[in-house]
Amino acid sequence: EADIYQTPRYLVIGTGKKITLECSQTMGHDKMYWYQQDPGMELHLIHYSYGVNSTEKGDLSSESTVSRIRTEHFPLTLESARPSHTSQYLCASRGLTYTEAFFGQGTRLTVV
Amino acid sequence: GESVGLHLPTLSVQEGDNSIINCAYSNSASDYFIWYKQESGKGPQFIIDIRSNMDKRQGQRVTVLLNKTVKHLSLQIAATQPGDSAVYFCAENPFSGTYKYIFGTGTRLKVLA
Repeated sequence: EADIYQTPRYLVIGTGKKITLECSQTMGHDKMYWYQQDPGMELHLIHYSYGVNSTEKGDLSSESTVSRIRTEHFPLTLESARPSHTSQYLCASRGLTYTEAFFGQGTRLTVV
Repeated sequence: GESVGLHLPTLSVQEGDNSIINCAYSNSASDYFIWYKQESGKGPQFIIDIRSNMDKRQGQRVTVLLNKTVKHLSLQIAATQPGDSAVYFCAENPFSGTYKYIFGTGTRLKVLA
């Protein structure tokens, strides 16, 4: 079983607030990913990292930012939340010997 | 039951029957393909993968078939159980060495008692 954790699981926040979604993995994986997923829809890659101090934007334009200061930690920050940011955010990681990524439980964000 | 993942987002099958979930992928240069299962309120969970140099791979109750000629992937679930009810996604790694995944739309599988 994969050890990747996201907090919080659910978040309701007002427009204009700054928020950080946390993601941590204890597997020592070098690659980490953030996906955005609306209910019942496909996953869209918004950020990824191949290692410490390496971050890239994904295929879906996002107003969020990420950092990768430690291997195990890949937080995602929204400087000013808007209702259009309401969605589920999924964090994933992948190690060298795997083809697949392991996903966290997700954070369901609602901006009111 | 059989579905085309991108055009029929919901597949209903009787418990005990076999399920076939289909997926069309976009890039003929993709290295490998993965099937994920996502239960309500959870993140996707790996089921099985297949490399581009294979046509078929079997796991426990699941089989993945790859047809590179028509860029088509299918997941077969034998003796479908209520616990198989979920959304199933296919994913491809289209760019060798980049470790990025592209996910398909997904198919919701409903198992009828």
